Amino acid sequence: DTGVSQDPRHKITKRGQNVTFRCDPISEHNRLYWYRQTLGQGPEFLTYFQNEAQLEKSRLLSDRFSAERPKGSFSTLEIQRTEQGDSAMYLCASSGTSGQLYTDTQYFGPGTRLTVL
Amino acid sequence: SQQGEEDPQALSIQEGENATMNCSYKTSINNLQWYRQNSGRGLVHLILIRSNEREKHSGRLRVTLDTSKKSSSLLITASRAADTASYFCASMDSSYKLIFGSGTRLLVRP
Repeated sequence: DTGVSQDPRHKITKRGQNVTFRCDPISEHNRLYWYRQTLGQGPEFLTYFQNEAQLEKSRLLSDRFSAERPKGSFSTLEIQRTEQGDSAMYLCASSGTSGQLYTDTQYFGPGTRLTVL
Repeated sequence: SQQGEEDPQALSIQEGENATMNCSYKTSINNLQWYRQNSGRGLVHLILIRSNEREKHSGRLRVTLDTSKKSSSLLITASRAADTASYFCASMDSSYKLIFGSGTRLLVRP
């Protein structure tokens, strides 16, 4: 257990439905990242936050995707009008200050596996 | 594709043997990180090596970094069946995001 939690762990939805995932980072970490991983591939960067500010978004993140991090704590990733191509594992990671030490190490949650039927 | 490359894609060895995986990346980096992933689960951080370091050890792991060749290697010594997993390298540039390789699937036969 890395200290990063994600909810739900699994989500099955029908094409066209909206889904929302939640990530709770390690509490003192100021950076939070979202990645997407398809079968047999490495994770691909989607977006990241420093505190509550969304600083970078990948071209992979179409306008059907939106992410928020209100108050710089937990984050949500919403996918609107889901498509079968959205089926993947969605991973959240956090990094930042731990005690007095800043680290670039990203700690990953267990992921949310999305299946779009 | 934003991904780096890893070699080999799959590796099968006997318990007790050493396993070496190689990784190449595309841009200038601040650091490079290695992760392990068991089937269908989250990623576990193994080791981070900074761009000004050439070699780093952690237990049975040894990582090297050659920034002139934009490549890194991970050596697992005295492998165990429990080391069976996928291994990913991930490069971090000044933007703080990780760019992952395609991974090496390691099978350690008892």
